[in-house]
Amino acid sequence: AQSVTQLDSHVSVSEGTPVLLRCNYSSSYSPSLFWYVQHPNKGLQLLLKYTSAATLVKGINGFEAEFKKSETSFHLTKPSAHMSDAAEYFCVVSDRDNFNKFYFGSGTKLNVKP
Amino acid sequence: DAGITQSPRHKVTETGTPVTLRCHQTENHRYMYWYRQDPGHGLRLIHYSYGVKDTDKGEVSDGYSVSRSKTEDFLLTLESATSSQTSVYFCAISERTGEDTQYFGPGTRLTVL
Repeated sequence: AQSVTQLDSHVSVSEGTPVLLRCNYSSSYSPSLFWYVQHPNKGLQLLLKYTSAATLVKGINGFEAEFKKSETSFHLTKPSAHMSDAAEYFCVVSDRDNFNKFYFGSGTKLNVKP
Repeated sequence: DAGITQSPRHKVTETGTPVTLRCHQTENHRYMYWYRQDPGHGLRLIHYSYGVKDTDKGEVSDGYSVSRSKTEDFLLTLESATSSQTSVYFCAISERTGEDTQYFGPGTRLTVL
């Protein structure tokens, strides 16, 4: 069975400082993993995805994530936060052999202070 | 952006009334999904479709039914709405199974009084 745990429900950083959003997954096989972002009252936008190629994945807006199989983690990072990064972020594992069903983490709300 | 629309975008209804939400895509993708989003739960899968007339249940399917008579349309019906179904509903599409991305619609905010 697939599941995702996002370790922090809220993260607060100052503008210009690094961002770390943590995600651990459980999967019965090598998974596909995604990060999506949701700005207030908006839909979900794909930030990046891991699909068994390079373990360090680069996404949009300067975000990246590293797949660590030994730690079953897929943490999202950004070197320098911008005010526009304030949003909710979701880590997702895909059951790619079962109709590509998605399993979402509960989300991490990122607050960026000026 | 993927061509996905949802209608209505907002709806207020009363307990016990039927409600149908529509998802329409212009991408000709095979797979379609309905999720609900509630605080602290992320998104949870209600139903999904893997082709015309081919649908199956997700993890929170009780009280919901779906239909897909055309590739481009996926309908979600609440036969008798309850207050616990107050939520934001998202439709998503995916081109194929395997290592593929889901693209999400703008969402429908449903309030059941």
